[in-house]
Amino acid sequence: DQQVKQNSPSLSVQEGRISILNCDYTNSMFDYFLWYKKYPAEGPTFLISISSIKDKNEDGRFTVFLNKSAKHLSLHIVPSQPGDSAVYFCAASAQYGQNFVFGPGTRLSVLP
Amino acid sequence: DTGVSQDPRHKITKRGQNVTFRCDPISEHNRLYWYRQTLGQGPEFLTYFQNEAQLEKSRLLSDRFSAERPKGSFSTLEIQRTEQGDSAMYLCASGGELFFGEGSRLTVL
Repeated sequence: DQQVKQNSPSLSVQEGRISILNCDYTNSMFDYFLWYKKYPAEGPTFLISISSIKDKNEDGRFTVFLNKSAKHLSLHIVPSQPGDSAVYFCAASAQYGQNFVFGPGTRLSVLP
Repeated sequence: DTGVSQDPRHKITKRGQNVTFRCDPISEHNRLYWYRQTLGQGPEFLTYFQNEAQLEKSRLLSDRFSAERPKGSFSTLEIQRTEQGDSAMYLCASGGELFFGEGSRLTVL
């Protein structure tokens, strides 16, 4: 049973517009969440994190929203740039520093 | 030392051979993780260390897999008697927020 789900395998967005990537989880014990970006043939790159005591965290063009009651989080990228084209993974853990469970990823394409 | 480094980046081996991957974490990080990723999937947790202590191992880590971190610095992941199903990207990460290396791609023929 997949504990972390990213139900959209792919997403296309026009340059300059907002990209919204979604992630759902089933384990109510998860309380720390990460987002990663991955280019082909490279390791994942950490983007942004959020803990369950917050519902929003911002870092530049990236904002993560957490809805604990719905067990849902989303990553907003504004404005989207062609260099943002990559696979995005969300990951969840029951405790900071322990094992993280990853979703299957969403491929984002930002069109010029 | 600006990041996590892994060696080798690519390894092609024949079924039944043993392979070993090395990971050098970011120097101040006590935690070190190994993950495996196959095409179209997210990274799957294999094991992690706090300093030299191996704190958790996944069910995915069969008895053919062994990981060590003898001095709490670099780590090795060994796969014995490789099988074609072991072909994957093996990722090492360090720190509580998982800073990943470039990965070691294994192809078992």
